Amino acid sequence: DGGITQSPKYLFRKEGQNVTLSCEQNLNHDAMYWYRQDPGQGLRLIYYSQIVNDFQKGDIAEGYSVSREKKESFPLTVTSAQKNPTAFYLCASRSLAGEHNEQFFGPGTRLTVL
Amino acid sequence: KQEVTQIPAALSVPEGENLVLNCSFTDSAIYNLQWFRQDPGKGLTSLLLIQSSQREQTSGRLNASLDKSSGRSTLYIAASQPGDSATYLCAVIKAAGNKLTFGGGTRVLVKP
Repeated sequence: DGGITQSPKYLFRKEGQNVTLSCEQNLNHDAMYWYRQDPGQGLRLIYYSQIVNDFQKGDIAEGYSVSREKKESFPLTVTSAQKNPTAFYLCASRSLAGEHNEQFFGPGTRLTVL
Repeated sequence: KQEVTQIPAALSVPEGENLVLNCSFTDSAIYNLQWFRQDPGKGLTSLLLIQSSQREQTSGRLNASLDKSSGRSTLYIAASQPGDSATYLCAVIKAAGNKLTFGGGTRVLVKP
């Protein structure tokens, strides 16, 4: 089965802790993305990567960090510097080749800060 | 800066009625536009992608139109069913390597 997997589905964090959200894709997509979604709101881009070992900040990168050591993996770390981390986090990927390059999403991770 | 707007934010229709969902964007220089569906607590499912050179795209009961010059796209869902209840989001991309800009979504409820 080709697709995007995110783990864990639910994550609880104490204040002051760093946590890492996993995102893996076996679609051989070049680009990967992390979004944050708050209740009743649209998606906001945190970070994205178009090639291994390279990534760019999105609109709300403060308090987050990423790495892209492998094409299929794009983990997101929510650091203690993120003031309001409770949200639904979505990972996505997209091929950059050709014209019909739809973006596909994983099932999401719901992070709650206790 | 590209801005994408979806109005209304919520919509309720009786089963069987056709659904019309609107998406508008401020910068007409787009590469493509994508419509997504999101069920509560789930990720996004891609419904349709329209290239900038296309006027419409169809898949089953779904039809999406694109008018770049006026900065508008419309998603039509024929003969709505309770299973169509979800939030529908549109997103545009400026160029092949760029990121998507999302609208806020329209939450749809189809009443049996």
